[in-house]
Amino acid sequence: DAGVTQSPTHLIKTRGQQVTLRCSPKSGHDTVSWYQQALGQGPQFIFQYYEEEERQRGNFPDRFSGHQFPNYSSELNVNALLLGDSALYLCASSPGTGGNQPQHFGDGTRLSIL
Amino acid sequence: AQSVTQLGSHVSVSEGALVLLRCNYSSSVPPYLFWYVQYPNQGLQLLLKYTTGATLVKGINGFEAEFKKSETSFHLTKPSAHMSDAAEYFCAVTKSGGSYIPTFGRGTSLIVHP
Repeated sequence: DAGVTQSPTHLIKTRGQQVTLRCSPKSGHDTVSWYQQALGQGPQFIFQYYEEEERQRGNFPDRFSGHQFPNYSSELNVNALLLGDSALYLCASSPGTGGNQPQHFGDGTRLSIL
Repeated sequence: AQSVTQLGSHVSVSEGALVLLRCNYSSSVPPYLFWYVQYPNQGLQLLLKYTTGATLVKGINGFEAEFKKSETSFHLTKPSAHMSDAAEYFCAVTKSGGSYIPTFGRGTSLIVHP
């Protein structure tokens, strides 16, 4: 039973570029959430997708956008990259959108902005 | 708005000693509370959760936590530390009912000395 998988593992970009990160949820899960984890910090919620729609959004600018596909996989897109976007980006899945559902996390994508 | 405070960015114990990691939360409604562990270069893994019912919850790897509403706390304990417990630990809160945005603490690094 595969868990949450993310690709790529590492990515290096320059300021102003655009990036797309990918996530496949754990089998049986239909809800995907994305988090940004800066060095030495806890994860910060970016947004959540369910039924191919953005359901919840944290305090992140519109440069951060996403998509969910019919097979529940998801993408995170970040435009006009800033140095401050350097972080570990975590994808998490859950069976449903309830707040009582624990998140199952992937190992993340390490994004470095030069 | 909900928030999480983890007291102590680093906690150091000897192998075999009691582990106590502190977490205090604020929430305007009854919370759902979680503890996650993160090993280097990995995503977060659920240790335990409190949603409703018994306030003392047991998790994996011998960890447990007690929800104390009067103290707005959800401290994590383990009677005897093992070297393999060395990792980063995160407390998280979501709120019951309606929409939710999970909030994580900044994390506590557990160091275990032989």
